[in-house]
Amino acid sequence: DADVTQTPRNRITKTGKRIMLECSQTKGHDRMYWYRQDPGLGLRLIYYSFDVKDINKGEISDGYSVSRQAQAKFSLSLESAIPNQTALYFCATSDPWGTEAFFGQGTRLTVV
Amino acid sequence: AQSVTQLGSHVSVSEGALVLLRCNYSSSVPPYLFWYVQYPNQGLQLLLKYTSAATLVKGINGFEAEFKKSETSFHLTKPSAHMSDAAEYFCAVNPNTGNQFYFGTGTSLTVIP
Repeated sequence: DADVTQTPRNRITKTGKRIMLECSQTKGHDRMYWYRQDPGLGLRLIYYSFDVKDINKGEISDGYSVSRQAQAKFSLSLESAIPNQTALYFCATSDPWGTEAFFGQGTRLTVV
Repeated sequence: AQSVTQLGSHVSVSEGALVLLRCNYSSSVPPYLFWYVQYPNQGLQLLLKYTSAATLVKGINGFEAEFKKSETSFHLTKPSAHMSDAAEYFCAVNPNTGNQFYFGTGTSLTVIP
């Protein structure tokens, strides 16, 4: 089984709809992250969480929200999806010292 | 502010030729440095990392990188490119203050038969 699992892998949704992307990890780490990948822009941090009670905004958090349901689960929500949120989304987890980030397979989201 | 610069968004090499992908970073303290590879329709896989041990780091699939503090660089090399090396490569830095990972914009490597 994968260390970091994202669901769904692909999703097409309509403008204005609420959508949730889910992430679970089996590494036992407290730190989890949500990134967005766009061509030519690399990966940009949306939100991160260093434990269940700690949630922090990244550089592009507008239009997104997160929930840390447990140490192993970190979900990303788009309250009202818009077309420029079409992107590849990655969840990741890391050890406390930041010596490696482990990534999920990604969720390809299309907003039409 | 932390930043990572990857020179060249697209690099093409012939099969068997040297691969050199460039990465420069800015950090106020010696950081942890990483190279990740992304194959089509897949997630990111760690190629290698520098975490303040040896400055020449060897990774998977014959890749290596050298941390040069004076040049703030962490360039990725492979002596002989293989067709299977075609992928997107990302350089990343964790300044280990705040423990966020900052990524470059990526370099797409094409290997020409």
